[in-house]
Amino acid sequence: AQTVTQSQPEMSVQEAETVTLSCTYDTSESDYYLFWYKQPPSRQMILVIRQEAYKQQNATENRFSVNFQKAAKSFSLKISDSQLGDAAMYFCALNTGTASKLTFGTGTRLQVTL
Amino acid sequence: EAEVAQSPRYKITEKSQAVAFWCDPISGHATLYWYRQILGQGPELLVQFQDESVVDDSQLPKDRFSAERLKGVDSTLKIQPAELGDSAMYLCASSSRDRMNTEAFFGQGTRLTVV
Repeated sequence: AQTVTQSQPEMSVQEAETVTLSCTYDTSESDYYLFWYKQPPSRQMILVIRQEAYKQQNATENRFSVNFQKAAKSFSLKISDSQLGDAAMYFCALNTGTASKLTFGTGTRLQVTL
Repeated sequence: EAEVAQSPRYKITEKSQAVAFWCDPISGHATLYWYRQILGQGPELLVQFQDESVVDDSQLPKDRFSAERLKGVDSTLKIQPAELGDSAMYLCASSSRDRMNTEAFFGQGTRLTVV
């Protein structure tokens, strides 16, 4: 079985500041991928960033970066220079095994204030 | 830009009635997922198809839910009879290959309210 835990139901950040969203996971698989998805209000979920378990280097995509700690099974998302458009639900997700099963956490609602 | 299409966007149905949702994945995507998302929670996988075959339906309440993808393209999720606890957002997603690193593309979902 695989699980994904997001312990922060809500977070708030001021525009232009940096915020970190936490995620921990559990799996018995040695090869897997981790993802952060963003779900804006009333819009479809979109991929923000992905990380392969075998890669030690943390993934980055423009203002978004991750801190992947494999031994601790931790996968946090850092958003730099936060913008109003970053306000959304953020879901951490884990994909393992040949069947490509995608398991999500419960989400963190991010508010961006002026 | 190609998108996953879902219909209807909103559905209100009475308890014990039948309801069906439709999903058209991005062309060429072999893997199709149906997720249920209760308000304030993360998506929960109901069923996963690879082409027309079910690869995971372990969380699908089979006494009332059914899903099919007859020609390996579009898919239908049915609930009969609907219960109050089925009120949720039903999300469809597709991906191009049956691989862990493949991005899943999501539709806008169908919001179901059972009254």
